[in-house]
Amino acid sequence: RKEVEQDPGPFNVPEGATVAFNCTYSNSASQSFFWYRQDCRKEPKLLMSVYSSGNEDGRFTAQLNRASQYISLLIRDSKLSDSATYLCVGQYGNKLVFGAGTILRVKS
Amino acid sequence: NAGVTQTPKFRILKIGQSMTLQCAQDMNHNYMYWYRQDPGMGLKLIYYSVGAGITDKGEVPNGYNVSRSTTEDFPLRLELAAPSQTSVYFCASSKDRATEAFFGQGTRLTVV
Repeated sequence: RKEVEQDPGPFNVPEGATVAFNCTYSNSASQSFFWYRQDCRKEPKLLMSVYSSGNEDGRFTAQLNRASQYISLLIRDSKLSDSATYLCVGQYGNKLVFGAGTILRVKS
Repeated sequence: NAGVTQTPKFRILKIGQSMTLQCAQDMNHNYMYWYRQDPGMGLKLIYYSVGAGITDKGEVPNGYNVSRSTTEDFPLRLELAAPSQTSVYFCASSKDRATEAFFGQGTRLTVV
């Protein structure tokens, strides 16, 4: 089983829609999780950290479910500019392990 | 702020050639990482370092070597380049293991 797994998508949604991504992780000892965004042919950039209590940043909400070993990302009121690949990241010891990414395409 | 700087941005190598991908960060970060990303795929960890003089293998270290003689620099060496090493290489750094990683802009390497 991969350490971090994501549905590759693509998720095709209209502008204004709400979309949610899940990511599962295999190592219950992981302490830190993140969501990164990667635009085509660009470097990944941090979207948000994921805390046990959940966190929100504008239209984005991240949740961590330790019992079921998954994290989620909710995007409300999708914009065309949200089109990108979203990478789930888990910390394993001294390593940051990336999922393969979920592609989001927001269409007008 | 420069952040993480990678050079070169693009490179074409012939099979069997060697090269060094340079990575430097000016944020005084302890942790540094090298990843490769193949088309349509996720990032795979090649090597990482938790501080000067300390390096460790990641998921796909074969065919690569690294060194970390200073906090700032973390070069990746390719010996005897093979077509399978055609990829985009990203260097990243973080303050410690539980904090955000910052990425360089990547090096696009083609081995022909």
